[in-house]
Amino acid sequence: AQTVTQSQPEMSVQEAETVTLSCTYDTSENNYYLFWYKQPPSRQMILVIRQEAYKQQNATENRFSVNFQKAAKSFSLKISDSQLGDTAMYFCAFMRVTSGSRLTFGEGTQLTVNP
Amino acid sequence: ETGVTQTPRHLVMGMTNKKSLKCEQHLGHNAMYWYKQSAKKPLELMFVYNFKEQTENNSVPSRFSPECPNSSHLFLHLHTLQPEDSALYLCASSQVLTGVNTEAFFGQGTRLTVV
Repeated sequence: AQTVTQSQPEMSVQEAETVTLSCTYDTSENNYYLFWYKQPPSRQMILVIRQEAYKQQNATENRFSVNFQKAAKSFSLKISDSQLGDTAMYFCAFMRVTSGSRLTFGEGTQLTVNP
Repeated sequence: ETGVTQTPRHLVMGMTNKKSLKCEQHLGHNAMYWYKQSAKKPLELMFVYNFKEQTENNSVPSRFSPECPNSSHLFLHLHTLQPEDSALYLCASSQVLTGVNTEAFFGQGTRLTVV
């Protein structure tokens, strides 16, 4: 079974600054996907970024980037130039390649961007 | 407009009531999922449907009964629920192909309160 751990229940950052959210996971699989989802107060779960485990290059999406350390089973999310609209709950999620799109989620990190 | 629509957004029901949650996806996906999001707990996968066939039931009590009449619609029938079943119920869909799985897209959830 896979587990995903987010050790930071809450974080805050000033607008325009950079923040990093941590995620670690445990699996015996060699090929898998990792995701960061964002859940604002509207409750809509929105995909932020995706990383394939077989790719060494870290994924980036505009202001969002990840630091994927496969050997350490670490998958952190960096948000640059934080904006007020980034305030949300952020979930790290794991998906096996062979399991359809079943996701295993971490507990979440509540990020607050302060003006 | 979201590609996955859930109704109702909010539901309050008594323990003896019968109600249903509805999910509709407009993305042409072939797999649909029910997740439960309780306070202070990671999202939990409840049911998975691939091509309208239920492929996973994660030890969910029988008071939750899913139905998938076609690949675009998914229901969760509720009866004789308990107060601890109060949670946010999220529907998701994805495209599952042999050897290739896409990320899941989520609806906005139904906030269920059992009184």
